[in-house]
Amino acid sequence: GAVVSQHPSWVICKSGTSVKIECRSLDFQATTMFWYRQFPKQSLMLMATSNEGSKATYEQGVEKDKFLINHASLTLSTLTVTSAHPEDSSFYICSARDPGGGSFQETQYFGPGTRLLVL
Amino acid sequence: GQNIDQPTEMTATEGAIVQINCTYQTSGFNGLFWYQQHAGEAPTFLSYNVLDGLEEKGRFSSFLSRSKGYSYLLLKELQMKDSASYLCAVMDSNYQLIWGAGTKLIIKP
Repeated sequence: GAVVSQHPSWVICKSGTSVKIECRSLDFQATTMFWYRQFPKQSLMLMATSNEGSKATYEQGVEKDKFLINHASLTLSTLTVTSAHPEDSSFYICSARDPGGGSFQETQYFGPGTRLLVL
Repeated sequence: GQNIDQPTEMTATEGAIVQINCTYQTSGFNGLFWYQQHAGEAPTFLSYNVLDGLEEKGRFSSFLSRSKGYSYLLLKELQMKDSASYLCAVMDSNYQLIWGAGTKLIIKP
């Protein structure tokens, strides 16, 4: 199946710093990538939809200026958490849709996730 | 509004069979997905149903009834490694995934 990687897998940072998380589709070109956040014992919460070459579409309540998304190529999307605070500590997961995936073309394949801890 | 319901937690015995139900009410329907998520890890894809009926894939099967807004995931010959959360998600008319809260499955020896 399709493979999506994320980097880093773990990051600990000081309050006020910015953190960049990369999401790559390794064996397919993803025109659309998604960024999720998941708090402990809760389901996934969609933050934004990232389309290659255009601005991301953010979900209601997600601050665009705080969570910067860039989808500069068909295999890479980045999420930058700017001026991170302890309440931003969470599990951030990206996913990508494989448009060439046949009957599963609407399936989203998930990266392994990035655990962010802001001190 | 859009809603996905699934039980919060279930317990089953190793070697047995368990059925995890999911009911949904969404604006449009473009398929239903089941994902498995182990603690601390990202979800992994299990199944996709867009037509009514049963899809079998090894020990796992998924069923869909669009008229009833209902799906289930059936796990046979349970193994300890099947202990995980199982997430039901529906793709709506905008091709957005609407997620259930997940069912935590506990397998006992």
